[in-house]
Amino acid sequence: QKEVEQNSGPLSVPEGAIASLNCTYSDRVSQSFFWYRQYSGKSPELIMSIYSNGDKEDGRFTAQLNKASQYVSLLIRDSQPSDSATYLCAVIRGSNYQLIWGAGTKLIIKP
Amino acid sequence: DAGVTQSPTHLIKTRGQQVTLRCSPKSGHDTVSWYQQALGQGPQFIFQYYEEEERQRGNFPDRFSGHQFPNYSSELNVNALLLGDSALYLCASSSQGYEQYFGPGTRLTVT
Repeated sequence: QKEVEQNSGPLSVPEGAIASLNCTYSDRVSQSFFWYRQYSGKSPELIMSIYSNGDKEDGRFTAQLNKASQYVSLLIRDSQPSDSATYLCAVIRGSNYQLIWGAGTKLIIKP
Repeated sequence: DAGVTQSPTHLIKTRGQQVTLRCSPKSGHDTVSWYQQALGQGPQFIFQYYEEEERQRGNFPDRFSGHQFPNYSSELNVNALLLGDSALYLCASSSQGYEQYFGPGTRLTVT
């Protein structure tokens, strides 16, 4: 079992709809969770971080964390074609500062 | 405020050669992490430097080495290059290692 798992996609969503991206992790001591966006040929860009259970909203993005279920998700409201990218979930375990990465979900927003 | 910078942008080397990649962190950041990303995969952690010491290391051979300077900038050295070392090399900076911000990356091609 991989430490951080994501559906590779592609996930196709109509423009203006809500895109829902999911990530599960295996190590219960994981404490810090991040979502990165990566356009083809570019480096990852940090878009959300979440550290405690519940929802965290930033503009059109909402991160949701459920530590009991070992599950973190990213919702993108009012999806735009410019949101088309690969979304990477990353986790830090305990006091270990190493980011453990999922393989990413490719998101395609259709006009 | 300048973000994370990396040099060079692209590099072509021959098998067996050595390469040095450079990274300057975001202003105010003291920690630098290096990652290798192959096409279609998530980044793989190489190592992390904090206070000029290697704090953590991923599952990479000793051919991969690094250094952090007093101004927090960092170098990644790879000796005896193999074809499999061809990848995007990413540098990320952070304050104490949590939210990591990436530079544009160096695309290394080994022929």
